[in-house]
Amino acid sequence: DAGVTQSPTHLIKTRGQQVTLRCSPKSGHDTVSWYQQALGQGPQFIFQYYEEEERQRGNFPDRFSGHQFPNYSSELNVNALLLGDSALYLCASSSGGQVRETQYFGPGTRLLVL
Amino acid sequence: AQKVTQAQTEISVVEKEDVTLDCVYETRDTTYYLFWYKQPPSGELVFLIRRNSFDEQNEISGRYSWNFQKSTSSFNFTITASQVVDSAVYFCALSEARFGNEKLTFGTGTRLTIIP
Repeated sequence: DAGVTQSPTHLIKTRGQQVTLRCSPKSGHDTVSWYQQALGQGPQFIFQYYEEEERQRGNFPDRFSGHQFPNYSSELNVNALLLGDSALYLCASSSGGQVRETQYFGPGTRLLVL
Repeated sequence: AQKVTQAQTEISVVEKEDVTLDCVYETRDTTYYLFWYKQPPSGELVFLIRRNSFDEQNEISGRYSWNFQKSTSSFNFTITASQVVDSAVYFCALSEARFGNEKLTFGTGTRLTIIP
């Protein structure tokens, strides 16, 4: 049973560029959440996708956008990269039903903005 | 607003000692969920436990145990007879129970080092 997968594992970009990160949820899961983890900090919630719609959003600017596909996989896009966007980006998947399910995390994508 | 506080930034203990990681939370919700995750150097967050606010029973899983006290808004985690493989950063997290409002609010983590 495959867990949550993310690609790429590492990425180096320069300021002003755009980046796309990808996530495939755990088998049987239909909900994907994205988190940003700066060095030495706890993960911060970016947004969550369910049924191809953004269901909930954290305190992140519009430069951060996402998408969920019919197969439940998801992308996180960040435009006009800033140095401060350097972080570990974590994807988590869960079941979006009425019963609260645990979020399971992928290995993350380490983004470095130069 | 929700908040999770992990006051212990770093802890070091000698192997086989017991260690307790503290977690204090704030929420206005009457129904909520609490979690502990482990983050080894590889970076992936590994789920350890979920507890809902109605269930104040303590839980034990092997060398791990959790003490949930609603009266003090605490959800502490104890590792008994620690091992080197327990070295990692541990995060406590909180989420609301309302459908559609499921974001996890994390503490800043406690870095645990087990000295052989």
